Amino acid sequence: GAGVSQSPSNKVTEKGKDVELRCDPISGHTALYWYRQSLGQGLEFLIYFQGNSAPDKSGLPSDRFSAERTGGSVSTLTIQRTQQEDSAVYLCASSLQGGVAEAFFGQGTRLTVV
Amino acid sequence: GENVEQHPSTLSVQEGDSAVIKCTYSDSASNYFPWYKQELGKGPQLIIDIRSNVGEKKDQRIAVTLNKTAKHFSLHITETQPEDSAVYFCAALMGNTPLVFGKGTRLSVIA
Repeated sequence: GAGVSQSPSNKVTEKGKDVELRCDPISGHTALYWYRQSLGQGLEFLIYFQGNSAPDKSGLPSDRFSAERTGGSVSTLTIQRTQQEDSAVYLCASSLQGGVAEAFFGQGTRLTVV
Repeated sequence: GENVEQHPSTLSVQEGDSAVIKCTYSDSASNYFPWYKQELGKGPQLIIDIRSNVGEKKDQRIAVTLNKTAKHFSLHITETQPEDSAVYFCAALMGNTPLVFGKGTRLSVIA
């Protein structure tokens, strides 16, 4: 597709379970970002991948959160032992390169932990 | 690190009036300032951006101004329409770092 694609669009999970969220960036985009948006709140940075460089993980809230980007394309955000406070919309964005290049967002994955 | 403050958090205007949203940033090295519009249930969409070597940019009813000395930038929407109702986010970026976002402004355009 032409845009950033995220799956699933909605995920309901039980507290303590692990979840995986997927992001397919725009083809050719070397930079990929994950953000978290809690209800009515702004966008909280989680992690940033740029080409083959080591990812910037400075925004990950705890060691239960991790992310991978395989082959410089698809990325997976994993949350282990989910907690209710993890409930949020997880947004992925990609840009042609890091730095001053326009970032395009996917529609997000709404995660609900019950 | 960079910190972006955005005001107001909510804004209601009559259809046809103008709307102005203001943001300040903390790091003078920031050099890219995009604005995003987020409609209910959707991801943010880039609507306009400005780089640090430009003071103003306009695209039809939308304009952005940047004051580097004061470290603030603003979004101006003229002749507002009901479809402009959404949450608007400003952001700032410094070099090869992630975008830092303001907390958003919920704009309501009343017909």
